[in-house]
Amino acid sequence: NAGVMQNPRHLVRRRGQEARLRCSPMKGHSHVYWYRQLPEEGLKFMVYLQKENIIDESGMPKERFSAEFPKEGPSILRIQQVVRGDSAAYFCASSPDRDRTQYFGPGTRLLVL
Amino acid sequence: GENVEQHPSTLSVQEGDSAVIKCTYSDSASNYFPWYKQELGKGPQLIIDIRSNVGEKKDQRIAVTLNKTAKHFSLHITETQPEDSAVYFCAAYSGNTPLVFGKGTRLSVIA
Repeated sequence: NAGVMQNPRHLVRRRGQEARLRCSPMKGHSHVYWYRQLPEEGLKFMVYLQKENIIDESGMPKERFSAEFPKEGPSILRIQQVVRGDSAAYFCASSPDRDRTQYFGPGTRLLVL
Repeated sequence: GENVEQHPSTLSVQEGDSAVIKCTYSDSASNYFPWYKQELGKGPQLIIDIRSNVGEKKDQRIAVTLNKTAKHFSLHITETQPEDSAVYFCAAYSGNTPLVFGKGTRLSVIA
């Protein structure tokens, strides 16, 4: 059973460009969570999705950030018009239901030049 | 909302010694407490978790204790090995709010 997959593992963007981060949950998991991690810091919750629905986006900036988890295909975290402050590691986790253990992917390291 | 404090931020131990990392939480409704290990350049890996109906859980060299009254929980690693060196994160979950993480403890095991 493959774990949580994320791609790309590394992404470099110039200020003003768009970043698209993908996450494929573990097989059988329909709940996906996105977290952001700054250097030397813990993980900060951004958004929680369940197939086709956003359940909780309380941690996601109101501007420029959006997330989706379509019926078919991976979950996408989209950052429009990136700024240097968006540089961070973005992790995706999945679980089979809301109250079960979350398993993390290897992350996407975004660098904005 | 929930707030999780983790101490110490860095910890160095000699190989074979024990390591203890402590976390406190603020939301008395929290009922699930996982611990994750993160190695350099990798994602967090679940190493042990505990639910609020249990006071202690052990898995080989790793154990977690929970004191609901005091709202704190601890990770204990015995007979540490160099491969235990990593950043460890505690987290708390209440079911009503997202998983909230501590800021991490960088553990170094010196051979």
